[in-house]
Amino acid sequence: QKEVEQDPGPLSVPEGAIVSLNCTYSNSAFQYFMWYRQYSRKGPELLMYTYSSGNKEDGRFTAQVDKSSKYISLFIRDSQPSDSATYLCAMSGRNSGYSTLTFGKGTMLLVSP
Amino acid sequence: EAQVTQNPRYLITVTGKKLTVTCSQNMNHEYMSWYRQDPGLGLRQIYYSMNVEVTDKGDVPEGYKVSRKEKRNFPLILESPSPNQTSLYFCASRSQTVAHEQYFGPGTRLTVT
Repeated sequence: QKEVEQDPGPLSVPEGAIVSLNCTYSNSAFQYFMWYRQYSRKGPELLMYTYSSGNKEDGRFTAQVDKSSKYISLFIRDSQPSDSATYLCAMSGRNSGYSTLTFGKGTMLLVSP
Repeated sequence: EAQVTQNPRYLITVTGKKLTVTCSQNMNHEYMSWYRQDPGLGLRQIYYSMNVEVTDKGDVPEGYKVSRKEKRNFPLILESPSPNQTSLYFCASRSQTVAHEQYFGPGTRLTVT
């Protein structure tokens, strides 16, 4: 079983839709959970991070972590064409001294006008 | 402006011809790393460095070398490139105390023929 699983998509939605992006993981030592956004031909950029369980909201974006299910989600409300990108989840934990990020393979999101 | 820079952005070379991809950051970050990104495989860490003169292997170090002689620079060296090293390469840096916030460079597209 891979450490982090993420559906590659593509996920196509109309503008204004609510988008749900998800990752599952197997390593219970993970404590930091991050979402990166990567536009075509660009480097990933940090969108949001969450420590341990719970929710975090930032504008139209909400990150959720359910450690009991080893499942994390990123919700995008009122999606815009400018949200079209690949979304990568990433995790780190105390077993690596938090020094290494383990990435999912990314989900490509396409938001059509 | 806080940034990670990489050069060159695009490189086409032939098997066996040594090359270096440079990486520089202006944020005084202790931690730097190199990733490669391949379709279907996601981001995989090649090498990382926790500070000057301290480097360690990531998940896919074979065929690569790194050095960290200055805090701001972390070059990636391919002594004898092979076609299976054709990939998109990213350099990243972060503060030692803010492990989850990693900054990525714009990427280097390498083709080895």
